[in-house]
Amino acid sequence: SQQGEEDPQALSIQEGENATMNCSYKTSINNLQWYRQNSGRGLVHLILIRSNEREKHSGRLRVTLDTSKKSSSLLITASRAADTASYFCAGAGGTSYGKLTFGQGTILTVHP
Amino acid sequence: DTAVSQTPKYLVTQMGNDKSIKCEQNLGHDTMYWYKQDSKKFLKIMFSYNNKELIINETVPNRFSPKSPDKAHLNLHINSLELGDSAVYFCASSPSGGGFNQPQHFGDGTRLSIL
Repeated sequence: SQQGEEDPQALSIQEGENATMNCSYKTSINNLQWYRQNSGRGLVHLILIRSNEREKHSGRLRVTLDTSKKSSSLLITASRAADTASYFCAGAGGTSYGKLTFGQGTILTVHP
Repeated sequence: DTAVSQTPKYLVTQMGNDKSIKCEQNLGHDTMYWYKQDSKKFLKIMFSYNNKELIINETVPNRFSPKSPDKAHLNLHINSLELGDSAVYFCASSPSGGGFNQPQHFGDGTRLSIL
């Protein structure tokens, strides 16, 4: 079954603005991971947040995790045209070794 | 210096044919995966191998058979291709420490089109 559901499905912003994407998941997780997919390419890992963490930063990325609400958010600050891509969250279950369950992603378009 | 490489990148074939997709990783990872991404971009795990041993086998038709000759390679063979098999197939790998829930490294995908 689908683990993560991203919201919004598509987001269009201007360069320099912030982009926020949300993810909800259904079952318990060991950690939650965010990936980026450029058109015609594979997924690239961005950031991992463990179930006992609430917030994590990496460069222009900020991820939050609320296990009580089974939700996470990804904030990209000062967006650039090169950030245009699809963004996926994926829950890593503690009992299913290596199994990531992905949502359908948010398509982010950053206009120069 | 491609970390996870898949061949071929594109595969166009007739319904009923048998085809294989190859995957190799040079990251020294113990675990490899096959995913299927449909036209709506939904990505679903199919199989996972750890040190050549099958550890994840989702509900996939038995026309799909993975083979791992060594821990750096995971190939996918598909028999009797059907229209619904049209999708992008991704190979990925990860280290196996920390309960296996490590970040995964993906290849660029194989776009399979069934005519």
